[in-house]
Amino acid sequence: EPEVTQTPSHQVTQMGQEVILRCVPISNHLYFYWYRQILGQKVEFLVSFYNNEISEKSEIFDDQFSVERPDGSNFTLKIRSTKLEDSAMYFCASKGPTDTQYFGPGTRLTVL
Amino acid sequence: QKEVEQNSGPLSVPEGAIASLNCTYSDRGSQSFFWYRQYSGKSPELIMSIYSNGDKEDGRFTAQLNKASQYVSLLIRDSQPSDSATYLCAVRYNNNDMRFGAGTRLTVKP
Repeated sequence: EPEVTQTPSHQVTQMGQEVILRCVPISNHLYFYWYRQILGQKVEFLVSFYNNEISEKSEIFDDQFSVERPDGSNFTLKIRSTKLEDSAMYFCASKGPTDTQYFGPGTRLTVL
Repeated sequence: QKEVEQNSGPLSVPEGAIASLNCTYSDRGSQSFFWYRQYSGKSPELIMSIYSNGDKEDGRFTAQLNKASQYVSLLIRDSQPSDSATYLCAVRYNNNDMRFGAGTRLTVKP
């Protein structure tokens, strides 16, 4: 069964460094999403992406964040200058013709 | 504001009982409603979606939607210890914006 994959599974970085989180959505899906979940808290919507552009973003998704689909398979989330409070699990999701979003296994980001 | 509220629990039920999980949402323009299950340290996995008022059944799970009351619920019949997880209510506001509640932690005791 096709699935969303994410790399790395765990990323440790120093405060102020840039990180890029990678996702490979399900191959025929056209809608892509990033969510984050701070430990013990709820899943929070960050951004959605369709037709090579951002379609929605939340109040969390400020200028420190950017997304890109650099080729036909990858979907990336970049955090330009990480802060301690960016430590969280980041989930990528993709959606095809049905209404179901399929989540990847997540990348745990730890900012020291 | 796009708020989704759930009772955080924990909710504890004995094996074989019915577990009842509730969710309210703030935006009357909401279009689609979902229940996800999340095991500790794992990603959310979809259990059910519901779009129109009434009940929708899938195996041991029944989702109920009441748009007038802005209320969604999930019933789990014949609860099993493997159902122990956090259940997330999610509400989609347009094609591209889905918001989650904080989740209800369910424990099913053998």
